[in-house]
Amino acid sequence: SQQGEEDPQALSIQEGENATMNCSYKTSINNLQWYRQNSGRGLVHLILIRSNEREKHSGRLRVTLDTSKKSSSLLITASRAADTASYFCATAAPFNAGGTSYGKLTFGQGTILTVHP
Amino acid sequence: DAGITQSPRHKVTETGTPVTLRCHQTENHRYMYWYRQDPGHGLRLIHYSYGVKDTDKGEVSDGYSVSRSKTEDFLLTLESATSSQTSVYFCAIRGQPGEQYFGPGTRLTVT
Repeated sequence: SQQGEEDPQALSIQEGENATMNCSYKTSINNLQWYRQNSGRGLVHLILIRSNEREKHSGRLRVTLDTSKKSSSLLITASRAADTASYFCATAAPFNAGGTSYGKLTFGQGTILTVHP
Repeated sequence: DAGITQSPRHKVTETGTPVTLRCHQTENHRYMYWYRQDPGHGLRLIHYSYGVKDTDKGEVSDGYSVSRSKTEDFLLTLESATSSQTSVYFCAIRGQPGEQYFGPGTRLTVT
């Protein structure tokens, strides 16, 4: 079953506007990550936020994490046509005693973002 | 791109045939992963490896096996391909502090 669920499934905006995507999850996590995927390509890591962090910035990206609500949001400010892509959240399970599940990610189904010039 | 390559990049095969996909990395990462990506399902973990000869199942492991005889190579085998295994397969490695870096993907079609 999917751990993360993104909302909305699709988002269409104009260049210069901000884009906000949300992710909800069900179980305890070690960290939450956001990835981007251009059509026909592999996923590219954008940002990682640990479970004890509430907000993180990277360039035009702002990620928030609310562990009490089991939710995260990704904000892309001043969007560009080149930001058109699918965006996925992924949750990392807490470490297990043997360390074997270390780093396993569970992905949501993604948000398709279209930025019109 | 963290030095990850996948081969082949595209493959068409017939139902019932065995297929092996290869993931190769050049940076000595310990953890490697195989995912499949299908419309409506996002990425789902098939198998992963936490060291040479150390592997474990993911959420959709039925019909797949893996092997890792050396650090740089992680092989995914479809023992007897079925049409439901038509998908795009991605390999990934784990970096620090926990992000994953993905290969370019293999598009597999089972006819």
